[in-house]
Amino acid sequence: SQQGEEDPQALSIQEGENATMNCSYKTSINNLQWYRQNSGRGLVHLILIRSNEREKHSGRLRVTLDTSKKSSSLLITASRAADTASYFCAAGIYSSASKIIFGSGTRLSIRP
Amino acid sequence: NAGVTQTPKFQVLKTGQSMTLQCAQDMNHNSMYWYRQDPGMGLRLIYYSASEGTTDKGEVPNGYNVSRLNKREFSLRLESAAPSQTSVYFCASRGTGGQLFGYTFGSGTRLTVV
Repeated sequence: SQQGEEDPQALSIQEGENATMNCSYKTSINNLQWYRQNSGRGLVHLILIRSNEREKHSGRLRVTLDTSKKSSSLLITASRAADTASYFCAAGIYSSASKIIFGSGTRLSIRP
Repeated sequence: NAGVTQTPKFQVLKTGQSMTLQCAQDMNHNSMYWYRQDPGMGLRLIYYSASEGTTDKGEVPNGYNVSRLNKREFSLRLESAAPSQTSVYFCASRGTGGQLFGYTFGSGTRLTVV
């Protein structure tokens, strides 16, 4: 079963607005990662937050992690047309040194 | 810097045929992975190799075999393809440092089994 579940499944916003995507996971994690996938392409790593961190920033990206609620959020500020893609969270599983488990993704569409 | 290279990019197989998907990385990464992605779903782990010489099953290993040929190459074999294996297959790799780094993905192999 999927470890991470994203919410919403699809999101359409106006260019310039902020986009927020949420992720919930089931078990203890080492870290939580976010990836972007453009249509027909492979996944690109965006940001990783460790289990002992609560917030992390990278450019227009802001990620939060709440381990007590087993949830994370990805905020993209000042969205651009190029941000149109699917976004996946992936849980780095504590009991495994090598595995991450992906959620089903959020499809983000930016309207011009 | 090529990163992770997958071949072929597209393939159509008849039910019962076999094929091997190839993956190579040039980043000196220890760990390599095979995922499949079905419409509307995230990626599901098929097999992974934490280091050269080791392989382990993931979430959906049935119908697949893998070989970690050397540090660079990790292949995925379908011995007798079934329509349920129609999917997009992604290979990924990760460097050392525990789980502090993200994965690097290839561009995928789109496989159709008819």
